[in-house]
Amino acid sequence: NAGVMQNPRHLVRRRGQEARLRCSPMKGHSHVYWYRQLPEEGLKFMVYLQKENIIDESGMPKERFSAEFPKEGPSILRIQQVVRGDSAAYFCASSPFLAGGRDEQFFGPGTRLTVL
Amino acid sequence: GDSVTQMEGPVTLSEEAFLTINCTYTATGYPSLFWYVQYPGEGLQLLLKATKADDKGSNKGFEATYRKETTSFHLEKGSVQVSDSAVYFCALSLQGGSEKLVFGKGTKLTVNP
Repeated sequence: NAGVMQNPRHLVRRRGQEARLRCSPMKGHSHVYWYRQLPEEGLKFMVYLQKENIIDESGMPKERFSAEFPKEGPSILRIQQVVRGDSAAYFCASSPFLAGGRDEQFFGPGTRLTVL
Repeated sequence: GDSVTQMEGPVTLSEEAFLTINCTYTATGYPSLFWYVQYPGEGLQLLLKATKADDKGSNKGFEATYRKETTSFHLEKGSVQVSDSAVYFCALSLQGGSEKLVFGKGTKLTVNP
């Protein structure tokens, strides 16, 4: 049973370009979370999605960032017109849906974005 | 707002030493509490969890007890190994919400032989 897959593992972009980060959840998991880890910091929640729905985007910057989790295919975190401050590790996590919540989140290996 | 404060590192210990990493939290509801571990270049792995007051989570020799009266969830291990070198994150999630995790800043542990 494969774990959470993220690609690419490393991504280099120049200022003003677009970055697309992909996350394939574990088989049978219908919930996806994105977190950002800045250097020397803990992880910060960005967005929580279920298939075709954004449930909580309270951690997403208001501009340039968007996320989707289509019916088919991976979840995508998209950053338009990247700036140096976007350089960070972006982690995806997935969880199954079980009654009562409190599901463990399983993390992918992360995508390390570097903006030149 | 909800937050997690954990002991700042880095922490350096000799093999077989006793480990404590302090973690306290602030939450408006009744959170579940977690410890995650991150090895170099990897994602986070769940180490242990507790979902209600007085629960003790344990795994791989690590333990933490959910103390509601002190709003704490300190991580302990009686005898650390070199392979325990990693960054440890304390986190909480709230019942009935989006289950998003709120993390502390992490504590880097280095164990020397």
